[in-house]
Amino acid sequence: QVQLVQSGAEVKKPGSSVRVSCKASGGPFNTYAISWLRQAPGHGLEWMGGIIPIFAKANYAQNFQGRVTISADESTTTAYMELSSLRSDDTAVFYCARGRGTYSLKDAFDIWGQGTMVTVSS
Amino acid sequence: QSVLTQPPSASATPGQRVTISCSGSRSNIGTNFLYWYQQLPGTAPKLLIYENNQRPSGVPDRFSGSQSGTSASLAISGLRSEDEAVYYCAAWDNSLSGPVFGGGTKVTVL
Repeated sequence: QVQLVQSGAEVKKPGSSVRVSCKASGGPFNTYAISWLRQAPGHGLEWMGGIIPIFAKANYAQNFQGRVTISADESTTTAYMELSSLRSDDTAVFYCARGRGTYSLKDAFDIWGQGTMVTVSS
Repeated sequence: QSVLTQPPSASATPGQRVTISCSGSRSNIGTNFLYWYQQLPGTAPKLLIYENNQRPSGVPDRFSGSQSGTSASLAISGLRSEDEAVYYCAAWDNSLSGPVFGGGTKVTVL
C-alpha cells in the first residue's frame, strides 16, 4: 500500500522559510501528482500547488505564487514544499496528498500524508 | 471565503439520514468531477467519494454522492457515531487552474 510520510513539526520566525518533505513508499511515484495543502487551525483545506514528478514542473495556486516552491526527487521518491516569507497566519498543518490517477493534477487525493504542523511565531 | 459553499453544520440521530449540500459554479462543479473528503478530529482527510458518486474501496455504501448542474450533495444513511467528522467537497476549477474546496460541514450524531 502506498504511504506518504511527512517530516516533523517546525517552529519558525516570521520572515523565514520552511521546507517540508513527503516520502512516498509502497507504489509508483513518478507518474502520480503530489499536491500540497494548507489547513490553518479551525479552518478548511487550501490547495497550494502540485507536481507530477516525471514532468518536474510544478503548478501553483495564485494565492501562493511567488512564495511557495514545490519539487520532487525521483531517486528518493520524496516531494518537497518550501514556503518563504512566513507570516503568523501561515501557522497551519501542511499536508501532502497523492492524486488518484496518473499524469493529472485534477484527480481526487486518495493518499494523504499525516500532516506537518508549522508554527510561525516570534 | 471558500469557493464552494457548504452549510457549516448538520446533525441527526443514529440510524437517520443526513444530507450535505455543496454549491459552486460552471467553472468548477458545472464542468468537473466533484469529490468528498471526511476528516475525523486530529487526522488527515480521507477520500470518501470521487467522480461525483464513486466510492473508493473500503468506503461503506452508506455514503453516496450526487451532482446536478453546479450543485452536489453527500448523503449518509444509517448514521453512526463514528461518522462524526467534518466533510469537505472539492472540485477542479478551470478559472483558477486548481482544486477548490468548500468550507466544510461538521456532522454531529445526536
